[in-house]
Amino acid sequence: EDQVTQSPEALRLQEGESSSLNCSYTVSGLRGLFWYRQDPGKGPEFLFTLYSAGEEKEKERLKATLTKKESFLHITAPKPEDSATYLCAVRSTTGAQKLVFGQGTRLTINP
Amino acid sequence: EPEVTQTPSHQVTQMGQEVILRCVPISNHLYFYWYRQILGQKVEFLVSFYNNEISEKSEIFDDQFSVERPDGSNFTLKIRSTKLEDSAMYFCASKEGGNSNQPQHFGDGTRLSIL
Repeated sequence: EDQVTQSPEALRLQEGESSSLNCSYTVSGLRGLFWYRQDPGKGPEFLFTLYSAGEEKEKERLKATLTKKESFLHITAPKPEDSATYLCAVRSTTGAQKLVFGQGTRLTINP
Repeated sequence: EPEVTQTPSHQVTQMGQEVILRCVPISNHLYFYWYRQILGQKVEFLVSFYNNEISEKSEIFDDQFSVERPDGSNFTLKIRSTKLEDSAMYFCASKEGGNSNQPQHFGDGTRLSIL
């Protein structure tokens, strides 16, 4: 069964303090790993797709990386507006269309 | 930027009643999905829909659930006889094509409260 585990559950940083969020996954075969951002009361907002180990994607202060067992979302010099829950999800070769989500990391950036 | 829209934003229903949640996917998208998120828990897959039929469903999606694309723009989720445990946030998502490259885009959800 496909599984996704994210850590930490919650992270509180000062503005400008860089850090990384972790997503560990177990799948029979990886079709894609997806990062989403979710604000309170909103739906997940797409950030990145990664497919193969060694791949990296960047967007503003965020950079996502992928290995064969985990993905990291690095946040550099974060701002208060980066506060959100970050969700990791995988699509496997056996899961057809569905995404399997982790429980998310709730990130708070204090000014 | 095109977006997935869901209505209503909040639905309150008595246990045992039928409820229909509505979604308008992004217009050129071909794949449609429903997920749910019980408060404090993970986002869970319910069903995927392509070419006017269900392509995959989870164990949660039992005989009480059904989906329909009644016209060229709407995609609905019906729960026939609601239970207390159906209380959750329900998200609709859509994807342009079958290529793994393309992400699923989500609406802002309908909060379903069963009394």
